[in-house]
Amino acid sequence: TQLLEQSPQFLSIQEGENLTVYCNSSSVFSSLQWYRQEPGEGPVLLVTVVTGGEVKKLKRLTFQFGDARKDSSLHITAAQPGDTGLYLCADPIGGSNYKLTFGKGTLLTVNP
Amino acid sequence: EAQVTQNPRYLITVTGKKLTVTCSQNMNHEYMSWYRQDPGLGLRQIYYSMNVEVTDKGDVPEGYKVSRKEKRNFPLILESPSPNQTSLYFCASSRDPTRYGYTFGSGTRLTVV
Repeated sequence: TQLLEQSPQFLSIQEGENLTVYCNSSSVFSSLQWYRQEPGEGPVLLVTVVTGGEVKKLKRLTFQFGDARKDSSLHITAAQPGDTGLYLCADPIGGSNYKLTFGKGTLLTVNP
Repeated sequence: EAQVTQNPRYLITVTGKKLTVTCSQNMNHEYMSWYRQDPGLGLRQIYYSMNVEVTDKGDVPEGYKVSRKEKRNFPLILESPSPNQTSLYFCASSRDPTRYGYTFGSGTRLTVV
């Protein structure tokens, strides 16, 4: 089973700061999904990246997929308290299984 | 509204007393899955289903059963719960998890005493 490592594990910042969180694997990702989970709720899909080198933007969030498809990053510009949550990366394993393996996540707290 | 509905949201039970957590989706999705989330261990897949009557084990299936008799429903059954099954459980569904990701329910917090 491919292991997804996320860093940092915890991050506490002030409103308005920028931040980057990372997702890495020793194996090549087929594609990679990023989710955000707010307290008391299930994860919500933010984006799927598929092509090496791909960059996707979602308002203040920028997602990058490494050229070799073994790493990905999520950059948040001018963080707001509403960005607080657990950020999870997930590797969908296709073929006959359609399993989705998650990293342990980065818990982000944005203080007002 | 497109959603995955789990019940109950909270459950406290005793060791050995059979229980069922229900899951229903209204999006006509083929794929459904159950995860448990534990501190330090993250989200781990218990079982998944590719369609009616087609299910397979995930990473931590021991102590759990599932069934998929109808497309919309995917109940999780604990025949004889034990304290190590105390956890936060999520049901999820998708038309294609690889391309579109999963839509998750709001979770069921289970405590087994």
